[in-house]
Amino acid sequence: AQSVTQPDIHITVSEGASLELRCNYSYGATPYLFWYVQSPGQGLQLLLKYFSGDTLVQGIKGFEAEFKRSQSSFNLRKPSVHWSDAAEYFCAVGFGGNYGGATNKLIFGTGTLLAVQP
Amino acid sequence: DTEVTQTPKHLVMGMTNKKSLKCEQHMGHRAMYWYKQKAKKPPELMFVYSYEKLSINESVPSRFSPECPNSSLLNLHLHALQPEDSALYLCASSQVGGGSPLHFGNGTRLTVT
Repeated sequence: AQSVTQPDIHITVSEGASLELRCNYSYGATPYLFWYVQSPGQGLQLLLKYFSGDTLVQGIKGFEAEFKRSQSSFNLRKPSVHWSDAAEYFCAVGFGGNYGGATNKLIFGTGTLLAVQP
Repeated sequence: DTEVTQTPKHLVMGMTNKKSLKCEQHMGHRAMYWYKQKAKKPPELMFVYSYEKLSINESVPSRFSPECPNSSLLNLHLHALQPEDSALYLCASSQVGGGSPLHFGNGTRLTVT
């Protein structure tokens, strides 16, 4: 069965430090991969996505992610964290195709809550 | 600002009430979704509409009734809910087709008393 794992429930980093959030997936083929961010009481905002091609993808707010097929991973990185980056981060795997009309179905990881220390 | 608008932002209802959640998007997307999110949990898919037809129902109890009256609107009708149905209800939309990213609204915070 398809699954998404985010091993870190909670991470605290200092402002200006680098960040890496881990994501592993289980799927028989290369899925569509996404990172979303959610601030308290808000909806989810798309940070970046990977479909195919270059395994290093750039997103908004200075985030990037690298797809590693051999490790079934799609880790999110940022070289220098800002206080405004404190939020919940969700990795998601999409399984497009013949889902009752070729509609995207997303499965989310359990999320990583990022706290930023001044 | 989000391009998917959900109303109301907050809703408190009793277990015998009937209420509706509304979602609207004007991005030309033909797939629309309802997700349920409990505190400190990831969103869980409830329903998917594709070209205004229900394409996925994730075994959601019948007290939740979705409706897609046109390509821009998505409703979720609520009746005889239980306190455990209290959650953040998120609407999303996307292009139809594998890999299309979902665009989420800010959600409706529902409390069932």
